[in-house]
Amino acid sequence: NAGVTQTPKFQVLKTGQSMTLQCAQDMNHNSMYWYRQDPGMGLRLIYYSASEGTTDKGEVPNGYNVSRLNKREFSLRLESAAPSQTSVYFCASSEVELAENSPLHFGNGTRLTVT
Amino acid sequence: AQSVTQLGSHVSVSEGALVLLRCNYSSSVPPYLFWYVQYPNQGLQLLLKYTTGATLVKGINGFEAEFKKSETSFHLTKPSAHMSDAAEYFCAVRKANDYKLSFGAGTTVTVRA
Repeated sequence: NAGVTQTPKFQVLKTGQSMTLQCAQDMNHNSMYWYRQDPGMGLRLIYYSASEGTTDKGEVPNGYNVSRLNKREFSLRLESAAPSQTSVYFCASSEVELAENSPLHFGNGTRLTVT
Repeated sequence: AQSVTQLGSHVSVSEGALVLLRCNYSSSVPPYLFWYVQYPNQGLQLLLKYTTGATLVKGINGFEAEFKKSETSFHLTKPSAHMSDAAEYFCAVRKANDYKLSFGAGTTVTVRA
């Protein structure tokens, strides 16, 4: 059981280049999330998708777009990368029932460097 | 946004000593509470989650957390640290009617032999 799979694991971009980070989960979860992790700041939510067909902004959405392709896949796109987007990106999924304390399940991350 | 504060960005303990990591949340209504651990170059793993009505929650690897509503706290402890406990620990909160999970800044634990 793979859980949450992120590709690629590492990426180096030049300023202004674009790329898409891929995420897929095989746990039949409804909700999916993209976070970025920066030293001393914990994880900050970029976008989330509560269910297939819906997406919403999180805490730091500027410079990013997302697509919930189907129930399994949730991609994150950087249209014009900036050095401030150098970070480690985590995808997560959850069978979030609003009345229950369902945890998030995380992938292993994508380490992105923008030069 | 839900606010969660972790006191101390770094904690150093001797092997066999008590590990205490502090977490406070800002909400008059207790949210859903979680502790996650991150080992180097890995994703986050769930250590434990708060269960409504409980004051002490047990997790994996000998960790437990005490919920104190009066202090809006959910501190994590382990009685005896092991070298394998060296990692970064995150407290996280979610409101009952919200999909978003908010994280504290994290506490890095180092264990001295």
